[in-house]
Amino acid sequence: GENVEQHPSTLSVQEGDSAVIKCTYSDSASNYFPWYKQELGKGPQLIIDIRSNVGEKKDQRIAVTLNKTAKHFSLHITETQPEDSAVYFCAATLGPPDGGYQKVTFGTGTKLQVIP
Amino acid sequence: DGGITQSPKYLFRKEGQNVTLSCEQNLNHDAMYWYRQDPGQGLRLIYYSQIVNDFQKGDIAEGYSVSREKKESFPLTVTSAQKNPTAFYLCASAKGPDTQYFGPGTRLTVL
Repeated sequence: GENVEQHPSTLSVQEGDSAVIKCTYSDSASNYFPWYKQELGKGPQLIIDIRSNVGEKKDQRIAVTLNKTAKHFSLHITETQPEDSAVYFCAATLGPPDGGYQKVTFGTGTKLQVIP
Repeated sequence: DGGITQSPKYLFRKEGQNVTLSCEQNLNHDAMYWYRQDPGQGLRLIYYSQIVNDFQKGDIAEGYSVSREKKESFPLTVTSAQKNPTAFYLCASAKGPDTQYFGPGTRLTVL
């Protein structure tokens, strides 16, 4: 089955600096890669996603890149703010083209701390 | 206001008790999921349902049971057979392939 590794497990940055979180996956058939932000005591919220036919996607201060050959994808947060502090999860989704059940495998999470 | 709701927010269970966690969605999503989250670990799939009256075991189904009698509802029962139930439980739903949307979670503690 799919295996997703996520690094680093913790990350501290100064406010205004950039943060990068990296994930690798094992199954080349995975075709959809969402990123979630989870604040303490809450459910994960989708922040950005990318499909296997796209190499990069950007939404304001957040961007995701995908390297299918190397089977890794990364989350980039620029101009970090204290409210970016949270746990971030990557995921790889594997599913049939007919739209049936999509198997989602999550990374183990990165705790990001933005220091004011 | 559309979304996924879970109740209760906090739940305490005594040894030998069964407890049921509620998950409701008004997003008209067909698929619903239950995950367990432990500190320092990713989300692990307990059960999922793609359609009413049908559900499948996930990776860690032992000691849990579910039902899907209505499209909007997917309750999870943690039975006494689950020996280490203390965890944060997350329900999610999806319209079809791809994005899953999560509820706020229920924290279950065994006394």
